[in-house]
Amino acid sequence: AQSVAQPEDQVNVAEGNPLTVKCTYSVSGNPYLFWYVQYPNRGLQFLLKYITGDNLVKGSYGFEAEFNKSQTSFHLKKPSALVSDSALYFCAVRAPDSGNTPLVFGKGTRLSVIA
Amino acid sequence: EADIYQTPRYLVIGTGKKITLECSQTMGHDKMYWYQQDPGMELHLIHYSYGVNSTEKGDLSSESTVSRIRTEHFPLTLESARPSHTSQYLCASSESGGGGGRRGYTFGSGTRLTVV
Repeated sequence: AQSVAQPEDQVNVAEGNPLTVKCTYSVSGNPYLFWYVQYPNRGLQFLLKYITGDNLVKGSYGFEAEFNKSQTSFHLKKPSALVSDSALYFCAVRAPDSGNTPLVFGKGTRLSVIA
Repeated sequence: EADIYQTPRYLVIGTGKKITLECSQTMGHDKMYWYQQDPGMELHLIHYSYGVNSTEKGDLSSESTVSRIRTEHFPLTLESARPSHTSQYLCASSESGGGGGRRGYTFGSGTRLTVV
């Protein structure tokens, strides 16, 4: 079975400060990991994904995520937060040998960047 | 630039009505998905499809049906709408393969359904 956890429902950060949105996963083997962002009244937008290779993945809008196999984590980071980063963020996971099984999404973390 | 289209964007309908939410994608993706999401909340998988004439039920499928007659089209039908169906419905698609292609899933903008 595969699962993903986002331990924080809400993250608050001041504009200009670094931000981290946490994600941990449980899957057999090496996972496929994703981050998506959702702005109000919109669908989810792809930010970045990890399949294999470099543990630090760079994505859209200055976001990056670090894959840590020993801690089974894939935290989303940004060096300097913007007010426009305020949104709902979803982590997702899939085992590479899971056939056609859909992605498993976390419950989401609401990021609020305060000016 | 949207590659996956959902219509209508907003819908208010009376209890007991039959409704179909439309979803079309122009990317030639084999896989398509329907999710239900209350505002600001988690996603619940309703149905998904691996390709033409294949559909599978998700966690929340008992009150709806889907069809996949063409690769690009994956409509969702509620046979008898109820107030409990009030929610946002998101359609998504992906390439074949575990990584889902370059962008993983591509989501539509959603249909916000209100049943009165």
